[in-house]
Formats: sequence, C-alpha cells, structure tokens
Amino acid sequence: GESVGLHLPTLSVQEGDNSIINCAYSNSASDYFIWYKQESGKGPQFIIDIRSNMDKRQGQRVTVLLNKTVKHLSLQIAATQPGDSAVYFCAVTDSSYKLIFGSGTRLLVRP
Amino acid sequence: DAGVTQSPTHLIKTRGQQVTLRCSPKSGHDTVSWYQQALGQGPQFIFQYYEEEERQRGNFPDRFSGHQFPNYSSELNVNALLLGDSALYLCASSFPGQGAYEQFFGPGTRLTVL
Repeated sequence: GESVGLHLPTLSVQEGDNSIINCAYSNSASDYFIWYKQESGKGPQFIIDIRSNMDKRQGQRVTVLLNKTVKHLSLQIAATQPGDSAVYFCAVTDSSYKLIFGSGTRLLVRP
Repeated sequence: DAGVTQSPTHLIKTRGQQVTLRCSPKSGHDTVSWYQQALGQGPQFIFQYYEEEERQRGNFPDRFSGHQFPNYSSELNVNALLLGDSALYLCASSFPGQGAYEQFFGPGTRLTVL
C-alpha cells in the first residue's frame, strides 16, 4: 500500500531564513498532495495543496514543489517566522477517499 | 462561518468501556472522515461517511463504528476500549463529491484510556 515518509523529524531554522520540508511517497498513482500545519493541541490546518498535473504551486510565503519522477514533495516557507513553529505533515491520496499522512517534521524557529 | 467542530474536547475512560465522539462538518460540506492520531504520529484514516453511508474504511477493527446523520454531522463509536485506543481523534470534512480532496480538520477529541 501507499506509504509516506519525511526526511527529517526536526528542522531548526533562524527567524527570517527560508525553510524546506521534504516528503517522499511510494505510490505513483497518487494524484493529490497536501501540506498541513499542526500546532500543539490543535487539529491539522490546511496550508497548500497540489494536483499531479502540476509541479509547482505558490501561496502566501509558501511554495509546494512536486517531483513525480522521484516521488518527492517539498514545502518551502519563505522568511520563516516564530508563528511558523509547528509540526508539518504531508498527505497524499490516490483518488480514493482517504488521506495517507507522513510522520511529520517539527519546525523550530530560533529568534 | 464555523469550521469543523468536535465534542467533547477531552475524555477519560477505562478499559472495556464504550465512547461516542461527535463532529459537525464545516458549513456546505457533506462528507465526514475520521482519523486517529497517536502521540508523535501522523493521523491514520479510520473511515469516511457520505450520504449517511460508510464509503471507505481503513485498517481498524469492528470495535470502531460510525454514523452520519441527515444534517451531515457524524459520530464515532469505539467499543471495548483498549489502552492503545488513547489518541487524538480528528474529524475532517470536505465539499460534496470531493472525497479526500480539500479536507478541513476539526480541533480533535483527546481520548485517554486508563
């Protein structure tokens, strides 16, 4: 079945620097990819999504890159702020009804 | 516009008991999914409800059951609780026909089984 993995369990960055969080997936049939941010004690918050017919999508201070050849997904956060500190999850689906989540990367922002 | 709401916020039960968790989807959403999130892990799909029917189920035993009401709200029931059922239970909703796409999550119910 589908599996989703993240490259680093923790990422520490200086405030104002750019952050890059990576994710790998196994199923080449996956057609929808989504990044969530989860703060302590809260549910996952939608950040940005991308469909398999795209390789890049930008939002406010965030960019998602999709490389279907190597089944890799990344989230870039520009000018990282203290409020960006949280656990970030990537999730994928393969046209079924469920999301499959990775184990998460904890982003720590140093002042 | 209220987002996804869940109740209760926290719950403590003992082994062998039964529990019911509740979810109201975001306005305009008709599909509800339930996920279990163990400490330090990503959420795991339990099942999804659409048009009051269970549409898909993850790898969870029959002790986990659910229901969707005509107003699209949903309940998750867990029977014969085990210590390993302690987790954050998340409800997510999505627009008609969207299935797994654009799912928005509620704050979760923290279940502790003693």
